[in-house]
Amino acid sequence: EAQVTQNPRYLITVTGKKLTVTCSQNMNHEYMSWYRQDPGLGLRQIYYSMNVEVTDKGDVPEGYKVSRKEKRNFPLILESPSPNQTSLYFCASSRTGGGWNQPQHFGDGTRLSIL
Amino acid sequence: GENVEQHPSTLSVQEGDSAVIKCTYSDSASNYFPWYKQELGKGPQLIIDIRSNVGEKKDQRIAVTLNKTAKHFSLHITETQPEDSAVYFCAALMNRDDKIIFGKGTRLHILP
Repeated sequence: EAQVTQNPRYLITVTGKKLTVTCSQNMNHEYMSWYRQDPGLGLRQIYYSMNVEVTDKGDVPEGYKVSRKEKRNFPLILESPSPNQTSLYFCASSRTGGGWNQPQHFGDGTRLSIL
Repeated sequence: GENVEQHPSTLSVQEGDSAVIKCTYSDSASNYFPWYKQELGKGPQLIIDIRSNVGEKKDQRIAVTLNKTAKHFSLHITETQPEDSAVYFCAALMNRDDKIIFGKGTRLHILP
């Protein structure tokens, strides 16, 4: 089954404790992306990757890191989480990026609470 | 900066009636406009999309229209059903830097 898998689905942690949210897709997609969803603000792009070893900042990259060492994985790293990073996070992938971007497939989300 | 405005933020319609959600975008170079539906506890799912070389696209009860001159596009759902209740997001792809900007979402309630 074609899917985007995020782990963990829920996490409560404390300020300053490094965490990683993993994202994996099994569709051989080139383009992967991370979003955060906050009430009244919709979905905001954090980082995206057009292909392996290529990453770019989205609209709200501060406080986050990503890496794309393999095509299927795109982990989101919070080196020193703070309470304003409490949010619902989504990973997404699509066959390609660019002007002929194919529709994105989203994971089911990771709810992070930073105390 | 680049922006996508979506209206209304909440919409209630009687079952069987039509629902319309509208979006405007700021970047005239945008060329791809998807619409996503998000059900509770799930990630957004694509329901329909349109590219800038097309003015209208239809898929059963769902249609999207695009006016490039005015820089706006709309989602139309006809003969609404209870399972259409969800949050809907429009988005626009910024061609020059491959960024996707989402609208803030519309919560659609279908009333029995």
